[in-house]
Amino acid sequence: GQQVMQIPQYQHVQEGEDFTTYCNSSTTLSNIQWYKQRPGGHPVFLIQLVKSGEVKKQKRLTFQFGEAKKNSSLHITATQTTDVGTYFCARGATDSWGKLQFGAGTQVVVTP
Amino acid sequence: DTGVSQDPRHKITKRGQNVTFRCDPISEHNRLYWYRQTLGQGPEFLTYFQNEAQLEKSRLLSDRFSAERPKGSFSTLEIQRTEQGDSAMYLCASSLISGGQYNEQFFGPGTRLTVL
Repeated sequence: GQQVMQIPQYQHVQEGEDFTTYCNSSTTLSNIQWYKQRPGGHPVFLIQLVKSGEVKKQKRLTFQFGEAKKNSSLHITATQTTDVGTYFCARGATDSWGKLQFGAGTQVVVTP
Repeated sequence: DTGVSQDPRHKITKRGQNVTFRCDPISEHNRLYWYRQTLGQGPEFLTYFQNEAQLEKSRLLSDRFSAERPKGSFSTLEIQRTEQGDSAMYLCASSLISGGQYNEQFFGPGTRLTVL
């Protein structure tokens, strides 16, 4: 199918450490979006990647789109307690542009 | 607040009852989406509108679910004869689509449905 798989499902990080979460697809992605959902909150858009090999940075967050456009990653450096939440990647459906298909997310817990 | 709003925020109902949720998107947005989210999962697409036209409905969606966006502004999602499996967070999102490209979706706070 057109699902995206996210790993790990759960990430426990010590404050100040770096970590990476991955989003993989068996088929080529036209684009990938990343969202963050805080506990008890709703998804909030972070970034969209469209081009093969694209790298975008937002302060301590680095987003990458694979050369083959079948995977993406989110790397966070010097993790802070404000990074707590679930990070979702979402692919644009190839049969219906505008519709997003979300992964199951990576839940991040930060220990002070 | 000019974000996406949803009403009610919480709904508890008994199995077999009908429920209706409302979503008010960001005013200039032409696309409106409904998603369902259960614990530990990402949002699952239900349906979306472009202006007042319902362009797609998930094949996984039971015919007990119906959505409308009569004037291209707010939308309602109705669930008839609710079942316990319908318990979930129902999220609404809106976006401005132009030029045939994907744009970010702005999510509302959601309506949490509990079916007893």
